[in-house]
Formats: sequence, C-alpha cells, structure tokens
Amino acid sequence: QQQVKQSPQSLIVQKGGISIINCAYENTAFDYFPWYQQFPGKGPALLIAIRPDVSEKKEGRFTISFNKSAKQFSLHIMDSQPGDSATYFCAASEAFQGAQKLVFGQGTRLTINP
Amino acid sequence: NAGVTQTPKFRVLKTGQSMTLLCAQDMNHEYMYWYRQDPGMGLRLIHYSVGEGTTAKGEVPDGYNVSRLKKQNFLLGLESAAPSQTSVYFCASSFGQGHNYGYTFGSGTRLTVV
Repeated sequence: QQQVKQSPQSLIVQKGGISIINCAYENTAFDYFPWYQQFPGKGPALLIAIRPDVSEKKEGRFTISFNKSAKQFSLHIMDSQPGDSATYFCAASEAFQGAQKLVFGQGTRLTINP
Repeated sequence: NAGVTQTPKFRVLKTGQSMTLLCAQDMNHEYMYWYRQDPGMGLRLIHYSVGEGTTAKGEVPDGYNVSRLKKQNFLLGLESAAPSQTSVYFCASSFGQGHNYGYTFGSGTRLTVV
C-alpha cells in the first residue's frame, strides 16, 4: 500500500515553463513533507521541505503548495531549466520510535526541453 | 567532505550467494537508514538504526539483515540473494529527531541477482 501517491510518473516541459508535480497522502500523523531531487547515478538530495502548518514555501524557483484539508501537496518549478531535468520524489515523515522515518512517493522523471 | 559513502557501487550476484553492502558516514549522524529503489516504487525503507548497536525493521525487511557495530557504519547483508532483490540500494543518515535536518544519501549500490 503506497502511503504517498505521486503523479505524474513522467513530465516533459519546455524551457521557461512551469513544472508541477503532485502528491497525496492518507496518514494524518505525517508532520513533515520534503521534496528530493535525484540526478542519474546519484543519491536523492533534499530540495525543499514544508511543515503542515504552512500553506506555501518558496525557495528561489521552487515552491511547495500544501493543502492540509485535502491531504495534498505539490512542487512547482518556475522558469524550468534544462538543468532541472531529474527525478523528483515527494516524501512524508512521522516520528516513530525516536526516528524520523521518510515514506517516499513513486517519483517523477522531469525532462526540460531546451 | 565525503558525507555518506557506499561500497561497492555495482555488484552481480548469483541466486543463493551472500554479500554485504557497506555504508559509512563521517558527519557524526545518529540515525542511519537503508532504502531500496525500484522503478515505479520510489524508495522503500528496509531497515534503520537510531544509534550504535540498535537496528529496527522498516517497510520491506524480509531477506535482509543489518548491523550497526560502530556509529559511523551501517551494514546491509543478503544471506541468500534472490532475483527479487535486484535493485538500487541507498544508504542515508540524519542527525535524528527534529526535522531541521534532512537525510543525506549515498550514491547507491546497483545490485543485480541472476
């Protein structure tokens, strides 16, 4: 059972366009929602994160929108660039036995065409 | 600064063989995690550790064992490899409780079981 559902699986956007990736969750105990960016042959790297008491967080061209009532959150990449081409994972976290355990979405392969 | 180092980077095993994947971190992180990444499945937690000498099961622990004898090292063992264990394995570490610190991932081990 996938606790965090991510869509789309793949996305192609023209350079300068807006890339939007969506995620939905069921577990209301999740209290932290990060996004990770992964380039081929590399491990995922933290991109941006949000807590559920905030509806939006922006860092440069990257914005997370969070809808607590709908249990959905999304990543928006403004002015998308070819260097943004990567796989993006949303995740959700809850405290469990002293650890912060991340549950990941299925991933979105983003391609930015020049 | 090495961060999280995984060895080996690639390995091919025959069904039934055993092997150990090594993860080493030099950031004095308390918590360490092993994930597997499969197409369309995202990253799934295999085992994790909240400190030296402690380990716990994650989402998909069957067929794997782990040990954390030293704070900086987290070993993942496959006692009798199966083709279903063909995957890319990622180790990650974090400071621990609190969400101000994201996970730091290694660059992965690509394992093929034939």
